Amino acid sequence: GQNIDQPTEMTATEGAIVQINCTYQTSGFNGLFWYQQHAGEAPTFLSYNVLDGLEEKGRFSSFLSRSKGYSYLLLKELQMKDSASYLCAVRVVGGSQGNLIFGKGTKLSVKP
Amino acid sequence: GAVVSQHPSRVICKSGTSVKIECRSLDFQATTMFWYRQFPKQSLMLMATSNEGSKATYEQGVEKDKFLINHASLTLSTLTVTSAHPEDSSFYICSARFLLGGETQYFGPGTRLLVL
Repeated sequence: GQNIDQPTEMTATEGAIVQINCTYQTSGFNGLFWYQQHAGEAPTFLSYNVLDGLEEKGRFSSFLSRSKGYSYLLLKELQMKDSASYLCAVRVVGGSQGNLIFGKGTKLSVKP
Repeated sequence: GAVVSQHPSRVICKSGTSVKIECRSLDFQATTMFWYRQFPKQSLMLMATSNEGSKATYEQGVEKDKFLINHASLTLSTLTVTSAHPEDSSFYICSARFLLGGETQYFGPGTRLLVL
C-alpha cells in the first residue's frame, strides 16, 4: 500500500526555524514534492527532490533520503504568512501519469 | 509562472442536479490534467487523470459515470458531477503538467461544491 506520514500540527515562533518531517512507504518512487496550502486555497508548489540531498530555495530547503524513505522541509526566518498547511507528496512509478500521493498535511501556526 | 484557472470557484446546488467545473491552463498547453478531491482536514485524493483527446483514467473507487471528465483540448478539461448528492460536497482541485514543465504539477484555485 501507499503511506505518507507527517505530523498533524506544529507551532513555531516568528523569526525562528522549523523542520517538517515526512516519511513514506510507497510502491516505487519517482520524486517527492512539498506544497504549501493556505486554508480554502489550492496548493502551491514549493520544492521537488528526486535525488538524495538538500535543495535550497531562499528561506525554504527540502531534504531527501531515498534509502530511509524520509524527507523534511526546513523553513527559516519564519514569517506570519508562513502559517499554512504543508503537504508532502510522492510521485509513484506506474499508475496514472505523474500520479502524486499526498500526505494529510502539517498545519503550521506561526506565533508572534 | 504557469497558471491554472478553475470556474466556478464556489457552487451551491440542489441534490440531484449536475454541476460542471472547468479547468483551464493559461498560457501553456497541458499534456496531462488531474482532478483531485479534498475533504476537510484530509489530504488531496486523486480522482482521475486525463489526457487531451483520450478517455480519462479513474482511480479505484471513483465512479466514472458519476464524475464525467472531458479533456477537449490541450488547455481545457471539465469535470461534471452528475446527480450530485450531499456527500459529494467537497473541494475539487485540478492540476496540470505541461510540455517542458518538468515534473511539477500546477494547481488551480479549486472549486468548493456544496450540495443541499
